[in-house]
Amino acid sequence: DVVMTQSPLSLPVTLGQPASISCRSSQSLVYSDGNTYLNWFQQRPGQSPRRLIYKVSNRDSGVPDRFSGSGSGTDFTLKISRVEAEDVGVYYCMQGTHWPRVTFGQGTRLEIK
Amino acid sequence: EVQLVESGGGLVKPGGSLRLSCAASGFTFSSYSMNWVRQAPGKGLEWVSSISSSSSYIYYADSVKGRFTISRDNAKNSLYLQMNSLRAEDTAVYYCARDRGGYCSSTSCYAVDMDVWGKGTTVTVSS
Repeated sequence: DVVMTQSPLSLPVTLGQPASISCRSSQSLVYSDGNTYLNWFQQRPGQSPRRLIYKVSNRDSGVPDRFSGSGSGTDFTLKISRVEAEDVGVYYCMQGTHWPRVTFGQGTRLEIK
Repeated sequence: EVQLVESGGGLVKPGGSLRLSCAASGFTFSSYSMNWVRQAPGKGLEWVSSISSSSSYIYYADSVKGRFTISRDNAKNSLYLQMNSLRAEDTAVYYCARDRGGYCSSTSCYAVDMDVWGKGTTVTVSS
C-alpha cells in the first residue's frame, strides 16, 4: 500500500498567522489520466471529515480561499494563509490514485496557541 | 442538499454481527461509487470497502476481507455494510463516503476522490 506521511503531527498556531502541513507519499500519485488524486480533509472536533482540496490544488465549494494546496509527484502541502479559530481540528491527506487501496496520512492536529 | 446518513451501529459482542446502512439523498445515487471508511477511537482514517455504481466493482481492505460484505440498493438509495465475526479492533465510527471514481469503464479507469461524507455511526465490539 502507498504510505502517506504527514508532518508535523501537531501544529500550534497563533490566530492570524499562517500554517503549513506537509504530506509525502511513498509512490508517485500521478494517475494514468495525468491527474494527481491527492485530497485534503478537515475534521473539526466531534465532526466527520470534510473535503477541502481535491486533485492537489482545487478548493471544494464553500472552502475559504485562505486554504490552498500545492505539490506534485510525491510531495504535497496544505497552507492556511491566516488561521482562524474555526480552523481548529485534524487535517488528513488522502491518495486516491492507487485505488482501491486508498490510504490516508496520520493526521495533523491544528490548535490555537 | 447532498446528504448521507449512516445508521445501524451499536454495541455487539466479539464474534457477533451488525448491518450498517447509509441513506443517500440530494443526488443521483445510482451514478456514484460509494465507500465505507472507519475511524477507531482517537485514531486516523482507514478505508474499509468500496462498491461501484452498478455493484460491478467491489473491494475490501485486508483487515475485513472475508468478514464484511458491502452492497447497495439503488432503488432505495441505500448502501449497506454487513459485518460478521466482529473483533474488538473493529470498534470505530463508520462513515460512508460518495465517490465519482473507483471503477473502470470499457475505455478508462477512474481514481477515487471521496467528496461527500456522512456523520458516521459508532460500532463498539466488547464483551
